[in-house]
Amino acid sequence: DVKVTQSSRYLVKRTGEKVFLECVQDMDHENMFWYRQDPGLGLRLIYFSYDVKMKEKGDIPEGYSVSREKKERFSLILESASTNQTSMYLCASSLRTLSSTDTQYFGPGTRLTVL
Amino acid sequence: AQKITQTQPGMFVQEKEAVTLDCTYDTSDPSYGLFWYKQPSSGEMIFLIYQGSYDQQNATEGRYSLNFQKARKSANLVISASQLGDSAMYFCAINTGGFKTIFGAGTRLFVKA
Repeated sequence: DVKVTQSSRYLVKRTGEKVFLECVQDMDHENMFWYRQDPGLGLRLIYFSYDVKMKEKGDIPEGYSVSREKKERFSLILESASTNQTSMYLCASSLRTLSSTDTQYFGPGTRLTVL
Repeated sequence: AQKITQTQPGMFVQEKEAVTLDCTYDTSDPSYGLFWYKQPSSGEMIFLIYQGSYDQQNATEGRYSLNFQKARKSANLVISASQLGDSAMYFCAINTGGFKTIFGAGTRLFVKA
């Protein structure tokens, strides 16, 4: 079974803090994704990575950056957290590259609150 | 651009009965994959079932089956013999081969004892 883990289930940070969300997958998947999920807005893609050190912007990259130094690990960074970044953050990974059969497997999510 | 529409914000079903969750999609791409995910209150998105656009038969996975009607662009999820643990949000999604998977707004299913 694919296992995707995220460093924290719940996180509370203050405005202006630098925040790191970590995601690790154990199935040697090529692709990794970061989404945020908000009520009424569904899942929105923040960033995507298809290989080590490679990344692509998703629909809402503003205010976020990512890092993929190792194949199994994909980090989401909030350089200066703001209250409008309070949300549920979901990490996912998938095996194949750019295929319509590509199933994404998700981690448990991190509920981030920025005060 | 691709689009997923889930018109049922909430559904109730009696335990042990079957329930159908609706999903319609829009794409001009002939090759695509359709996915259903379950999200319990704990938050994790759990992959349930996949249907490819060229698959001749409807996909089935245990109590889950996908009623795929290509001409109508619908991919409804059928859950047979509902259980209390099936209470969750359910998301339909489509991928046409790029890195973007488009998710619907979801349907919240309540299973009554």
